[in-house]
Amino acid sequence: DAGITQSPRHKVTETGTPVTLRCHQTENHRYMYWYRQDPGHGLRLIHYSYGVKDTDKGEVSDGYSVSRSKTEDFLLTLESATSSQTSVYFCAISELKGGRAYEQYFGPGTRLTVT
Amino acid sequence: GQNIDQPTEMTATEGAIVQINCTYQTSGFNGLFWYQQHAGEAPTFLSYNVLDGLEEKGRFSSFLSRSKGYSYLLLKELQMKDSASYLCAVRLMSRDNYGQNFVFGPGTRLSVLP
Repeated sequence: DAGITQSPRHKVTETGTPVTLRCHQTENHRYMYWYRQDPGHGLRLIHYSYGVKDTDKGEVSDGYSVSRSKTEDFLLTLESATSSQTSVYFCAISELKGGRAYEQYFGPGTRLTVT
Repeated sequence: GQNIDQPTEMTATEGAIVQINCTYQTSGFNGLFWYQQHAGEAPTFLSYNVLDGLEEKGRFSSFLSRSKGYSYLLLKELQMKDSASYLCAVRLMSRDNYGQNFVFGPGTRLSVLP
């Protein structure tokens, strides 16, 4: 299994508070991703990174920011959490092989509840 | 915009064969992936197609037709443990042609009955 961990695994927070989720990998993969998964919507890309300090927005980036200061860590921050951000958040990594990024390996997920 | 469609639910019998379809309409295409996700767990990679045709991996096969924007995942000799959601995902073209942006379909929940 790919070495990906997420912390925390579960979190309950109040509306308006800041929240940071951490993704840590031991595979030295170039690409890292943050997704959210909600019933009826499947996985939706929030932000991704293609190298240290190199990030870009995904489909549902509003209300989220990310940072990647080291290859192994990718942080997702909710500056002011809202109830609509209650979701399961997955981190994923991808290896660059032969000039094309291959399949993604997913972390165990973080269940976030905003009350 | 990007659009990927899959049936919401399917049911099949242990030992049978089931085909899960995926249709996509995306701005740019750089490969199609299938993932399996058991309830409460993370998705895991099953197969990848970038060229037209069939890719076979044991009991699982995946087919792609780029001209039709269509793929399917074929599961043979179904087992109870195959009860899961199956996610179709398209990798999009990107500025540097490394294809790091992905769009996922809503997933198909497969129930395998004894």
